[in-house]
Order: sequence, then structure tokens, then C-alpha cells
Amino acid sequence: GQNIDQPTEMTATEGAIVQINCTYQTSGFNGLFWYQQHAGEAPTFLSYNVLDGLEEKGRFSSFLSRSKGYSYLLLKELQMKDSASYLCAPMDSNYQLIWGAGTKLIIKP
Amino acid sequence: TAGITQAPTSQILAAGRSMTLRCTQDMRHNAMYWYRQDLGLGLRLIHYSNTAGTTGKGEVPDGYSVSRANTDDFPLTLASAVPSQTSVYFCASSDDRGGDTQYFGPGTRLTVL
Repeated sequence: GQNIDQPTEMTATEGAIVQINCTYQTSGFNGLFWYQQHAGEAPTFLSYNVLDGLEEKGRFSSFLSRSKGYSYLLLKELQMKDSASYLCAPMDSNYQLIWGAGTKLIIKP
Repeated sequence: TAGITQAPTSQILAAGRSMTLRCTQDMRHNAMYWYRQDLGLGLRLIHYSNTAGTTGKGEVPDGYSVSRANTDDFPLTLASAVPSQTSVYFCASSDDRGGDTQYFGPGTRLTVL
């Protein structure tokens, strides 16, 4: 079956760095998306990886290893507004996104 | 641009009643999607449409129907609501279904009593 595994909750300090891990098993693979979702709001797109390696976009970076079925989202210089859930979503062979339950990130001053 | 709009924002519905959730996008995207999001679970795909005039079933289609008469609109209908359909419903769209980024509407919070 298809499965996504990411931590349920993480806590970090303002100004610090945090890494949110995601492991996945899908039927085929057509890239992996990361979305941010603030409480009570819609998911918003953060990053897309289809090849192995690190993609950097400002304070956020995303890494993919297809052979290991593994990705992580790295957030630097954490700000209070980064408190949100982070959703890992690989795309299977039918181009369907398989969504994890998300990691709730709590930022403390 | 407005992007994707959904209506209503929230609704309380009696079990057995029917309801249509509306979704409109102004980005001229070909593909559209309906998801439900429940506490502790990932987003689950209900139905999708690759292009106007076509629809397909997702992971949890039972109890729901959709239509795609034109590019912009993708309504979701619950013919006879049940309490297990209490959820937050998100509509999304993408330029194409093949790997393009999906953009989400603000959601509809539905409670079925």
C-alpha cells in the first residue's frame, strides 16, 4: 500500500533551524511536494522535488532521496509565523498526491 | 486575481439533506480536485477532473458527485448527507494533472447532524 510517515509534532525556538523528515512508499513516483498549512487555512505550496538533491528557496530548503523514499524540509532562521503544519505529499504513478497527516511545528520565543 | 473561491465558508446540514459545495477558479487551470481533511488524517481525494467535461473518482468518492460543465466551475454535491461527511472540504486546481502544483481554495467547513 501507499504510506507516508512524518512526525506528528515538533517544537523549535525562534531563530533556530528545524528539519522535518518524511518517508514514503508509493506506487510509482512523480515527485514530492511540501505544503504549509496554518490552522484554519488552506494548504499553500512550498516546494517540489523530482530529482535527488537539495532545492533551496530562501529560508526553506527541501531534500529528496528517491532510492531511500525519503525527503526533508529544512527551515532556517525560524520566525513565529512559521508555526504551522507541514504536509509531505509524494505523487504516485497516476499523478495522484498521497498526503501525510502533517507535522505540526510549534515555534517558541 | 481571486484564484480559487469556495462557497459557503461553513454550513450545518441535517442528515439526509442534499447540498452542493461550490468551487470557482479564474486561473484557467485544466485540472480541478476535491479533497476532504479530517483531524489526524491526510487530505483525501474525493473526485477530480482533468479537463472540462471529464471527471474521475478519487480515494473516497462514495456519497459524493461532481460535474465539470466548464473550465472554471467544479461543484461537489452530497445527495443525502450523513454525519461521517462532517469535514473540511478543499477545492484545488492545477494547470495540468501531470505533476503541476495544486493551488487550494479557502475551504468549506461542513457539519452534518
